[in-house]
Amino acid sequence: EVQLVESGGGLVKPGGSLRLSCTGTGVSLSNVWMSWVRQAPGKGLEWVARIISRPDGGARDYAAPVKGRFSAWRDDSKNTLYLQMNSLKTEDTAVYYCTSFFNWGQGALVTVSS
Amino acid sequence: SYELTQPPSVAVSPGQTARITCSGDALPNQYTYWYQQKPGQAPLLVIYRDTERPSGIPERFSGSSSGTIATLTISGVQAEDDADYYCQSADTTDSIFFGGGTKLTVL
Repeated sequence: EVQLVESGGGLVKPGGSLRLSCTGTGVSLSNVWMSWVRQAPGKGLEWVARIISRPDGGARDYAAPVKGRFSAWRDDSKNTLYLQMNSLKTEDTAVYYCTSFFNWGQGALVTVSS
Repeated sequence: SYELTQPPSVAVSPGQTARITCSGDALPNQYTYWYQQKPGQAPLLVIYRDTERPSGIPERFSGSSSGTIATLTISGVQAEDDADYYCQSADTTDSIFFGGGTKLTVL
């Protein structure tokens, strides 16, 4: 059974930084196209970032609202994805999911507030 | 910025057929995916690549796509299908987008 478990969410002040982790079991994350998707309170889903599988080149791309502030990468030795979030804004407040789209984690809540 | 447009809400009685549409200019050249989300839960993939159903998803869920419109059809709607539904696709640069979501109410 595939499981994705996010961690690292919390409360951070505007302008601050936070790093999310997503550890996979039952799947080798290096062989799967993975994304981070967020959902602001009471709002819809928004794609944030994608990491392409290693066999397909491993490229990363980002949604316009986070480009230049967020960075995603993968540690294959730990079967873990990361999302480094810098220069956080109040509008970044959301539940952040890691997902292959076929499988989703339970989400990590990030709250940006002073 | 690219947009996928869904109706905000759809309401049907149990046993009826629900159809939720998703429109986008790039849909003729991109696959559409559909997700079901219930309160407090992560999204669940119900249709991928326009028409494919993941294992474990009931047969009453089906998908189609024609031109700039993709459609999720739920035949014989059940009370448990009451949820939000999101379409997802990509634009011409392969950036991923979600529709705004449709609240399906089972009357």
